[in-house]
Amino acid sequence: DIQMTQSPYSLSASVGDRVTITCRASQSISSYLNWYQQKPGKAPKLLIYAASSLQSGVPSRFSGSGSGTDFTLTISSLQPEDSATYYCQQSYSTGWTFGQGTKVEIK
Amino acid sequence: QVQLVESGGGVVQPGRSLRLSCAASGFTFSTYGMHWVRQAPGKGLEWVAVISYDGSNKYYADSVRGRFTISRDNSKNTLYLQMNSLRAEDTAVYYCAPTKGIITPGWYFDYWGQGTLVTVSS
Repeated sequence: DIQMTQSPYSLSASVGDRVTITCRASQSISSYLNWYQQKPGKAPKLLIYAASSLQSGVPSRFSGSGSGTDFTLTISSLQPEDSATYYCQQSYSTGWTFGQGTKVEIK
Repeated sequence: QVQLVESGGGVVQPGRSLRLSCAASGFTFSTYGMHWVRQAPGKGLEWVAVISYDGSNKYYADSVRGRFTISRDNSKNTLYLQMNSLRAEDTAVYYCAPTKGIITPGWYFDYWGQGTLVTVSS
């Protein structure tokens, strides 16, 4: 199975800060990488699919980039409602593995 | 609109069985692959199993293969997960989610149910 590794495990940033989360795949997955946001007690929400395509209704401050094995999720100007855990997920092969998650907190 | 309602969770003893259901509406269920994804308390997301639109193809995570069986009834727009030989480490919220395909790369989970909690404990 393809392993997905996110960093950092957690971060704390101020409102308005630029935040970057990275995700690395154990082998090339082309651009088959998705990002989700999850708030406590809620189901995950799709933010980005195919590495850089913004899901309908998601604020434009969220963006994704990368291909091959290295990917990033960027929040250009952190907002209070962005406090959540973020997961990457590969859709290159069966197994649909997720990263371990990155918890984003607001200072 | 798309609606996915999981049910069947509860408290079960180790070694026993449980069957989860996912009732789907708002989309053409019989043309979508369906997945189960779980999340242990305080932990991350783990993909569990997938079934193709017609039930002909099924894939499982190593952690559940041989113990869990995914199935569907397209006449009832319902997905199932039969869980046998349950272990404490199967304790989790179980979500169902559709994807248009399952074999070709590139699908993503844009709709999720609210989840159903399974607790395996003596």
